[in-house]
Amino acid sequence: GNSVTQMEGPVTLSEEAFLTINCTYTATGYPSLFWYVQYPGEGLQLLLKATKADDKGSNKGFEATYRKETTSFHLEKGSVQVSDSAVYFCALSLTNAGGTSYGKLTFGQGTILTVHP
Amino acid sequence: GAVVSQHPSRVICKSGTSVKIECRSLDFQATTMFWYRQFPKQSLMLMATSNEGSKATYEQGVEKDKFLINHASLTLSTLTVTSAHPEDSSFYICSARDLSGGFNKGNTIYFGEGSWLTVV
Repeated sequence: GNSVTQMEGPVTLSEEAFLTINCTYTATGYPSLFWYVQYPGEGLQLLLKATKADDKGSNKGFEATYRKETTSFHLEKGSVQVSDSAVYFCALSLTNAGGTSYGKLTFGQGTILTVHP
Repeated sequence: GAVVSQHPSRVICKSGTSVKIECRSLDFQATTMFWYRQFPKQSLMLMATSNEGSKATYEQGVEKDKFLINHASLTLSTLTVTSAHPEDSSFYICSARDLSGGFNKGNTIYFGEGSWLTVV
């Protein structure tokens, strides 16, 4: 079956530190990969996505590259801010050969990030 | 602004009563919507796929008689938690797939804001 594994948290960093949150996946077919962020008390927001191998998703200083050879989609940010404190979810969605998502998402367990001033 | 809206955002109900949560796509038609559940400090688990005009498809282990899903229009799906118990207290969130606008936009999955249910 399909699954997503994230590095265990919580992760605690000082402001301006470098962030990496590891994510690996197993899937059949053609998965699209996503990172979602959940701020305290809120729903999910799409942070970035990549739909095929070697694509790089980026947004708000965060980046992740779809690595098919290592089945990974690690999230990175060069300099975190206090406002980045949130829970980060890696997820995948299967797509058909034409690249259209089937819509169901399989989520990793989430990684809590806390950034201190 | 939000393109998928959930209501209510927070609800408290008494044990044994039923509560309905709505999920609306605001500027696109969604033939398929998805309902997830999130326990505190845990990941999101897919409960069911809501199909417009037909029965929902439930994931293994989800009680279809307890979690009633209705998708009567292309912009609205509802989740009704029947005979709620304290263990049903959770964060419920829906998503909808936007297939309009071609390939680049057509792969977009939008989430609602989520609904916190507390059963007392």
